Amino acid sequence: EVQLLESGGGLVQPGGSLRLSCGGSGFTFSTFAVSWVRQAPGKGLEWVSSISGSGGTTNYADSVRGRFTISRDNSKNTLYLEMNSLRVEDTAVYFCARCPLSGTYKGDYFDYWGRGTLVTVSS
Amino acid sequence: QSVLTQPPSVSGAPGQRVTIFCTGSSSNFGAGYKVHWYQVLPGTAPKLLIYADNLRPSGVPGRFSGSRSGSSASLAITGLQAEDEADYYCQSYDTSLSLWVFGGGTTLTVL
Repeated sequence: EVQLLESGGGLVQPGGSLRLSCGGSGFTFSTFAVSWVRQAPGKGLEWVSSISGSGGTTNYADSVRGRFTISRDNSKNTLYLEMNSLRVEDTAVYFCARCPLSGTYKGDYFDYWGRGTLVTVSS
Repeated sequence: QSVLTQPPSVSGAPGQRVTIFCTGSSSNFGAGYKVHWYQVLPGTAPKLLIYADNLRPSGVPGRFSGSRSGSSASLAITGLQAEDEADYYCQSYDTSLSLWVFGGGTTLTVL
């Protein structure tokens, strides 16, 4: 059974940093691209970032580019999201989601998701 | 304002059919990018319902079906059940914005 489990969320002050993790199991982690998708309170889903299976290709939404860094450690079956210069508007539940192929493609969808981890940016 | 537009809410009685529409533009659906649909229940992992316009992943009941035509897409649910009460999101790729986009979500209420 494919499973994704996020961790690392919490309360952080504006301007602060946080690192999220997502452990994958039940599939060959290195052969799938993975993404972060977030949902602010009372709002819809927003794609944040994606990384290819090898880690060689990364993509970012404009809202986080330059502040967030996506990475992965395939030896540990783990995806990361390093978040710096956090803003109040980054407050959201962050989901990790698997893409159907090893690369990131424009036609991508997200076939398995975790339950998410809550990040709250507040003073 | 989401790039893909969905009605905020729809409702239907048990056993009925409901349709959720998702309106895009020439930079997503109109450019040929396909639509995908997700079901989201509070506190749970979002679930892929339909991918590539009208394909169902293994385990998704046949009561769920999807279609896309021009700049619009739709998700139909027949034989409505209480367990279908959830939020539904459409998703595609937008070539003008160069990113994956979601609709604003539609809350389905089973009366």
